[in-house]
Amino acid sequence: DVKVTQSSRYLVKRTGEKVFLECVQDMDHENMFWYRQDPGLGLRLIYFSYDVKMKEKGDIPEGYSVSREKKERFSLILESASTNQTSMYLCASTSHSTYEQYFGPGTRLTVT
Amino acid sequence: SQQGEEDPQALSIQEGENATMNCSYKTSINNLQWYRQNSGRGLVHLILIRSNEREKHSGRLRVTLDTSKKSSSLLITASRAADTASYFCATAQYGNNRLAFGKGNQVVVIP
Repeated sequence: DVKVTQSSRYLVKRTGEKVFLECVQDMDHENMFWYRQDPGLGLRLIYFSYDVKMKEKGDIPEGYSVSREKKERFSLILESASTNQTSMYLCASTSHSTYEQYFGPGTRLTVT
Repeated sequence: SQQGEEDPQALSIQEGENATMNCSYKTSINNLQWYRQNSGRGLVHLILIRSNEREKHSGRLRVTLDTSKKSSSLLITASRAADTASYFCATAQYGNNRLAFGKGNQVVVIP
């Protein structure tokens, strides 16, 4: 069964902290994505990766960075968390040959 | 990037009724997909329709696509309380695996 897991379901951090959100998929997918979801704004793409060590900016990359050292793992990094980064973060993956994305359960991040 | 937009935004129906949601988009697409999200969870893929298809069925789901109007509809027949969720449309352009999501459509099915 296809599985995408995220390191935490809920996370509370302080302003200025460095935050790591991890995503792991077990489907050998080449593509991985990080979205944030906010009420009234839907899902917005932060960063994505087509392959190991490759990354591309999405629509709202400011304040975030990513790391993909292994095919199955895609990390989202908030270098210095701010309150406007309080949100639901969703990770997804897909293979090069399909378009359907498989999502993790999400991490609800609160920055105080 | 383009975005799908669902209409109406919120729908409340009785169990057993049909639920219809619409989605519009702005540019040429390779395919259009519908996802479901239960409260506080990740999205689950429901159905994909390609740009050369007009209608597709999967169980109680029926999706239509009108590329001339750049719109799609999702019909859930004989709704159940378990169908209560948010539904998102997402479009994929040719040449990449990125999806552009709409803002979501909340459906509440009253038992």
